[in-house]
Amino acid sequence: DIQMTQSPSSLSASVGDRVTVTCRASQGISHYLNWYQQQPGKAPKLLIYAASTLQSGVSSRFSGSGSGTDFTLTISSLQPEDFATYYCQQSYKTPPTFGGGTKVEIK
Amino acid sequence: QVQLVQSGAELKKPGASVKVSCKASGYTFTSFYIHWVRQAPGQGLVWMGTINPSSGDTFYAQRFQGRVTMTRDTSTTTFYMELRGLTSQDTALYFCTRNSGAYHDDRVAFDYWGQGALLTVSS
Repeated sequence: DIQMTQSPSSLSASVGDRVTVTCRASQGISHYLNWYQQQPGKAPKLLIYAASTLQSGVSSRFSGSGSGTDFTLTISSLQPEDFATYYCQQSYKTPPTFGGGTKVEIK
Repeated sequence: QVQLVQSGAELKKPGASVKVSCKASGYTFTSFYIHWVRQAPGQGLVWMGTINPSSGDTFYAQRFQGRVTMTRDTSTTTFYMELRGLTSQDTALYFCTRNSGAYHDDRVAFDYWGQGALLTVSS
C-alpha cells in the first residue's frame, strides 16, 4: 500500500496567518491527491481533489499544490472555523490511503 | 440534496457481528460507488472497501477480507456494511461515503459522507 506522511502532526497559528500543511507519498502518485477537513465529531469534508482543484463550495482561502510525491495544502488567511484536522488521501492506487492528519489549533 | 444517513450507535460483545446501514437520497442511486471508511478513537481514516450500486460487486481492503460484507438494497436505496468476529480493535466510527466521480475513472474523491455510526466493542 502507498504510505502517506503528513507534517507537522499539529500546529498552532493565529487568525489571519498563512498556514501550510505538507503531505508526502511513499511513491509517485501523479496528481491523484485529495485533501479533507474534519471538525471534531464530524465527517470529513472534501476540500481539494486532483492536488489543486477546489471542491465546489469550498472557500478560496484553501489551495493545494504538488505532483509526484510532495504536496501542500495552504490556508491563505486562517479563520476561527478552520480549527480542524486535515487529511491528505491518495487515489492513485487501490487501496486509497490517508495521511495521519494535521491538527490545526487556533492561538 | 444529497444525503447519506446512517444507523445509530451500536454496542457489541467480542465475537459478535454488526450491520451498519447507510440510506442514500437526493441523487441517482446507481450512479455513484459507495465506500466505507472507519476511524478509531483519536486515530486516522482507514478505507474498508467499496460496492458498485448497480451490480452489487464489491472490493474489500485486504485487512478486512473474510470479515466484512458490503451489500445494497436498490428498492430502499440503502447500503449495508456487516463486520463479523468483532474485537475491541474494531471500536470505531464507521462512515459511508460517496465517490464523487471527479477523476472520471475509478479513482476516488469522497464528496458526501454519512454522519458516522459509532461501534463500541466491549465485554
